[in-house]
Amino acid sequence: DAMVIQNPRYQVTQFGKPVTLSCSQTLNHNVMYWYQQKSSQAPKLLFHYYDKDFNNEADTPDNFQSRRPNTSFCFLDIRSPGLGDAAMYLCATSRLAGLSTDTQYFGPGTRLTVL
Amino acid sequence: GNSVTQMEGPVTLSEEAFLTINCTYTATGYPSLFWYVQYPGEGLQLLLKATKADDKGSNKGFEATYRKETTSFHLEKGSVQVSDSAVYFCALRLIGTASKLTFGTGTRLQVTL
Repeated sequence: DAMVIQNPRYQVTQFGKPVTLSCSQTLNHNVMYWYQQKSSQAPKLLFHYYDKDFNNEADTPDNFQSRRPNTSFCFLDIRSPGLGDAAMYLCATSRLAGLSTDTQYFGPGTRLTVL
Repeated sequence: GNSVTQMEGPVTLSEEAFLTINCTYTATGYPSLFWYVQYPGEGLQLLLKATKADDKGSNKGFEATYRKETTSFHLEKGSVQVSDSAVYFCALRLIGTASKLTFGTGTRLQVTL
């Protein structure tokens, strides 16, 4: 089945220790997104890629970076995690159709714990 | 700006009860509207969507109608099951943007026997 895969499902890191979260997709979608979801809150978009074009949200901290080496993979790098970065990180994909994007499909998420 | 307002939860219902979760929106353009469901410990799954006024989205017994006149997209189900217990998010996306969904804060539904 075509899907969005996130690894690992659970990640524990130490305060200040860089961490990378991974997302891959078999849908061949050209748009990939990273969302942060804190406990009992709505998902908040951090950034998205349209093909190789990176689009950062204005309020995304510099501590968060992303890489998309090819269509299938996208990585979220947190350079120096703080306690406030503990959250669920959701990857999503969609297909650009005409002037707009189609439905976003989400992965299962990676729950990040910062000790 | 664009925003989505959902009724606050948690909503607790007995099995086979009727469900309504209210959702209203504010948008500067013509949005597509979505309901996503999140089961405990999992990511978001698309439940249903509607892309223009008066469209009705439906899936798994859930339905919602895009009401432009009241800027609403209320989620309904005639008879809930314990397995429907989850958090439900209403969201909008503006046509013409290759970018973000704007989510409501989510409504937790708890269905008991």
